[in-house]
Amino acid sequence: GQNIDQPTEMTATEGAIVQINCTYQTSGFNGLFWYQQHAGEAPTFLSYNVLDGLEEKGRFSSFLSRSKGYSYLLLKELQMKDSASYLCAVRNDYKLSFGAGTTVTVRA
Amino acid sequence: KAGVTQTPRYLIKTRGQQVTLSCSPISGHRSVSWYQQTPGQGLQFLFEYFSETQRNKGNFPGRFSGRQFSNSRSEMNVSTLELGDSALYLCASTQGITNEKLFFGSGTQLSVL
Repeated sequence: GQNIDQPTEMTATEGAIVQINCTYQTSGFNGLFWYQQHAGEAPTFLSYNVLDGLEEKGRFSSFLSRSKGYSYLLLKELQMKDSASYLCAVRNDYKLSFGAGTTVTVRA
Repeated sequence: KAGVTQTPRYLIKTRGQQVTLSCSPISGHRSVSWYQQTPGQGLQFLFEYFSETQRNKGNFPGRFSGRQFSNSRSEMNVSTLELGDSALYLCASTQGITNEKLFFGSGTQLSVL
């Protein structure tokens, strides 16, 4: 089975840094994805990790530890437009299993 | 390049009816997968099709079915609708390789009354 956990909500101030943790227990692993979803819109791809370590892409970074079943998404220099739901997802063969999502609210 | 297109955008049905949703993938993409999104359950995998064959299936009852056509367009059908089927149904496409990112459509918001 698949079990993917992430916090339900996080609040941070504009310009700050927020780290969203994701822990997973899955029967297979072909990589871990992070998606961003604004209310009423489709999820959009943020990052992909298949090997251990940190992947940096502009203001967003994602880290993976396969031995610990752990990942985090780091959002730096937060902007109001970063207020959204962030979804952690584990790929197993051709199936993507999602966590329930973390709603991030950025305050001015 | 056009994105993933889902139709209709909104749909209202009553219990017991059936519904068909349509998804056109990005040109060149041969894999289409379907997800159900609800506030309580998040995104749940329904099934995935590649070259007209179902490769993977989630844990949904047999009332949920799908198919893929030779042009890679896909449809999903839900028969004997229940109130709990009210959800956002998202379609995503890729070329079909396991480590590819999914490109999502905007979804079909289904309300069952």
